[in-house]
Amino acid sequence: AQTVTQSQPEMSVQEAETVTLSCTYDTSESDYYLFWYKQPPSRQMILVIRQEAYKQQNATENRFSVNFQKAAKSFSLKISDSQLGDAAMYFCAYRSAGNQFYFGTGTSLTVIP
Amino acid sequence: GAGVSQSPSNKVTEKGKDVELRCDPISGHTALYWYRQRLGQGLEFLIYFQGNSAPDKSGLPSDRFSAERTGESVSTLTIQRTQQEDSAVYLCASSFRLSGANVLTFGAGSRLTVL
Repeated sequence: AQTVTQSQPEMSVQEAETVTLSCTYDTSESDYYLFWYKQPPSRQMILVIRQEAYKQQNATENRFSVNFQKAAKSFSLKISDSQLGDAAMYFCAYRSAGNQFYFGTGTSLTVIP
Repeated sequence: GAGVSQSPSNKVTEKGKDVELRCDPISGHTALYWYRQRLGQGLEFLIYFQGNSAPDKSGLPSDRFSAERTGESVSTLTIQRTQQEDSAVYLCASSFRLSGANVLTFGAGSRLTVL
């Protein structure tokens, strides 16, 4: 089975600064998708960004971007110009060819005013 | 509906009782997933339904856990003879496509507390 590892249980960032959350995964598949989900205290999981493994270009959604290193099996999330509303738990997820989703253990992000 | 709806939002029960948790996926979503999230932990896969195919039950932790889904609509997760370690938030998610840019849309979860 695929595994997803988030090695940073907690991170903090000053408001307006940039922070990078790490994620690595283990797979033997060549075609897959990667996601970052955000879970605020309301516990509603929200999709932040997604990346297709066959695309070399890193995905970007406004202040959120990824650094996808396929050979290294690394998929980090960069949040620029951090805002108070970015404070949440962030989960990295892998979607296999069998349509199964695997999640990391999460990184709790604190934004300091 | 506009989103994935889960009920009840919160459930407190006594050890040994049975509970049912309900999930209404987004209309037209063929895939439905159940996850368990213990306090401060990540998402633990429980079960996955895809259309009329046999469900993937590989994540169910014991035979006290079962789930059903009628066609491509409502799903019910049942926990029999609840134990304190079953206390968690149970998240349901649905998705539309089998392949391509298939993403999960989550409900707000059902928080189960077993006393």
